[in-house]
Amino acid sequence: NAGVTQTPKFQVLKTGQSMTLQCAQDMNHEYMSWYRQDPGMGLRLIHYSVGAGITDQGEVPNGYNVSRSTTEDFPLRLLSAAPSQTSVYFCASSYSNGQSGYFGPGTRLLVL
Amino acid sequence: RKEVEQDPGPFNVPEGATVAFNCTYSNSASQSFFWYRQDCRKEPKLLMSVYSSGNEDGRFTAQLNRASQYISLLIRDSKLSDSATYLCVVPRAGSARQLTFGSGTQLTVLP
Repeated sequence: NAGVTQTPKFQVLKTGQSMTLQCAQDMNHEYMSWYRQDPGMGLRLIHYSVGAGITDQGEVPNGYNVSRSTTEDFPLRLLSAAPSQTSVYFCASSYSNGQSGYFGPGTRLLVL
Repeated sequence: RKEVEQDPGPFNVPEGATVAFNCTYSNSASQSFFWYRQDCRKEPKLLMSVYSSGNEDGRFTAQLNRASQYISLLIRDSKLSDSATYLCVVPRAGSARQLTFGSGTQLTVLP
């Protein structure tokens, strides 16, 4: 099993550009989520999904969109990048909501 | 009170020492708790789950005090490889679907 994979590992964007961060898991987990991690602030939940076709907002959803067309994939879209979105983004999956899970290796994003 | 608060650290301890971290939480309805470890520039990885009064796994012991709403992580006989940031994780109040992560406690084990 590859576990949770994320691409790209690193990305530099200019303000206003859009991009999609990819996340995939091969463990047949229903629950997937996206976090961002900033220094001194811990991980904050952006969006999550409890199954294909179902998504919901987390703590900091503004500026991000998600979709879940399959159990395996949960992409995160930045609509119009801003410097405040410079962060490390982690995707995670678990068997069910509210439970611990597995994290992907992260995507480091710099918005200039 | 913040949803999850951890000892600010950093903790610098010699090899072989015993070290303990505390984490306080505000959601009195929480039933499950987790400790993750995160190495520098890596993803968090689950260290321990705590569902009742506590849990023990080798040199690691997690204890839960529901009355005072805190959980602790005790590491005995510290190894150099224990150097990492330890994250306390608690379900969010009003939403069991969401987890709240503490900002972490940094541990450095010195030779």
